[in-house]
Amino acid sequence: DAKTTQPNSMESNEEEPVHLPCNHSTISGTDYIHWYRQLPSQGPEYVIHGLTSNVNNRMASLAIAEDRKSSTLILHRATLRDAAVYYCIRGATNKLIFGTGTLLAVQP
Amino acid sequence: DARVTQTPRHKVTEMGQEVTMRCQPILGHNTVFWYRQTMMQGLELLAYFRNRAPLDDSGMPKDRFSAEMPDATLATLKIQPSEPRDSAVYFCASGLGLFQGSGDEKLFFGSGTQLSVL
Repeated sequence: DAKTTQPNSMESNEEEPVHLPCNHSTISGTDYIHWYRQLPSQGPEYVIHGLTSNVNNRMASLAIAEDRKSSTLILHRATLRDAAVYYCIRGATNKLIFGTGTLLAVQP
Repeated sequence: DARVTQTPRHKVTEMGQEVTMRCQPILGHNTVFWYRQTMMQGLELLAYFRNRAPLDDSGMPKDRFSAEMPDATLATLKIQPSEPRDSAVYFCASGLGLFQGSGDEKLFFGSGTQLSVL
């Protein structure tokens, strides 16, 4: 199945940058990398996705390794509202299969 | 803001009862997914539809679960009879696109139906 590997949890301080890593060593050349996050008591929400180049949007940046075997989601200035589970997903099949994600805690 | 609407938000029922969960996808979206989330299993894909046709329901217990799209604005997930192990949060998500090949499309999730089967 389409597997990604993420740390179970990470901690950050408010106002500091956060780098959330993801390994996807078996990714194929046409698979997009998607990031979603799930705030407490809510459904997952789209964060960002990319194929080869680094991507930026108003929520975050996505840095994709040159060999595409890993990627990093970057939150430039963490806020308390960014505390959530972040999922890294390979868009390799007809659907999005969620793993266990990284639980991000943000300390004031 | 367009959003996916799920009803009810909460449902408490007794074992053996029928449960129906409803989802209104974002207008114009042609793909609908049903996910189930529990602490033990995380987010599991149950079924998905494209242009109202079921494409994959392999994640769904066939003997008691059924998913349908009576029209483009309504998706339903039914459990009959319900069991305590069905207690979970059920999410509906919709998207626009084929969701095949490389997977460039985005999904938009509803707020979920929290189901408790006693």
